[in-house]
Amino acid sequence: EVQLVQSGAEVKKPGESLKISCKGSGYSFTSYWIGWVRQMPGKGLEWMGIIYPGDSDTRYSPSFQGQVTISADKSISTAYLQWSSLKASDTAMYYCARRGGSREFDYWGQGTLVTVSS
Amino acid sequence: EIVLTQSPGTLSLSPGERATLSCRASQSVSSTYLAWYQQKPGQAPRLLIFGASSRATGIPDRFSGSGSGTDFTLTISRLEPEDFAVYYCQQYGSSWYSFGQGTKLEIK
Repeated sequence: EVQLVQSGAEVKKPGESLKISCKGSGYSFTSYWIGWVRQMPGKGLEWMGIIYPGDSDTRYSPSFQGQVTISADKSISTAYLQWSSLKASDTAMYYCARRGGSREFDYWGQGTLVTVSS
Repeated sequence: EIVLTQSPGTLSLSPGERATLSCRASQSVSSTYLAWYQQKPGQAPRLLIFGASSRATGIPDRFSGSGSGTDFTLTISRLEPEDFAVYYCQQYGSSWYSFGQGTKLEIK
């Protein structure tokens, strides 16, 4: 069974750093792209970026380029999304999702809620 | 960047009725790369349709997708109570992905 399990909810202060994770299982982790999607409170889905764990090839949405860093450790089948300096506007639910052959996101993690507040 | 515009923003229907949701792209999208998702409150999105018209594993056949070019449609033939949710379309093109803003399907 394909599963993506994300790390737990985080509460941070503005200016702090954060790295959240997404662990894949039940499939060949290095053979599928993993994307990250933001959902701000009460809003829609926004694509942030995507990584191919096989060789760490990474693409970013122009809206998120320079704001976050996506990485992966294929030895432990885990992808990461990190911030060096959080802002209140980073408060959102963040999902990881596996990309299928038609560029759809076929399996999703349960989401990680990030709250940034002073 | 391709912008997807979904309509209507909210659709109010009764169980048993037919739902038709629209997704219009700002430029042509390959049918291979158009998908639809369902999201219920407090849950992650679930893939319904990929390649514009192929149902994902386990999706009931009352869900169908169609369209090409810039106009795509998700149809739910007979609404069940569990179908009331928010629906998103998503496309891939030129290394970028984008989602529509969503259509909320609510019980009338």
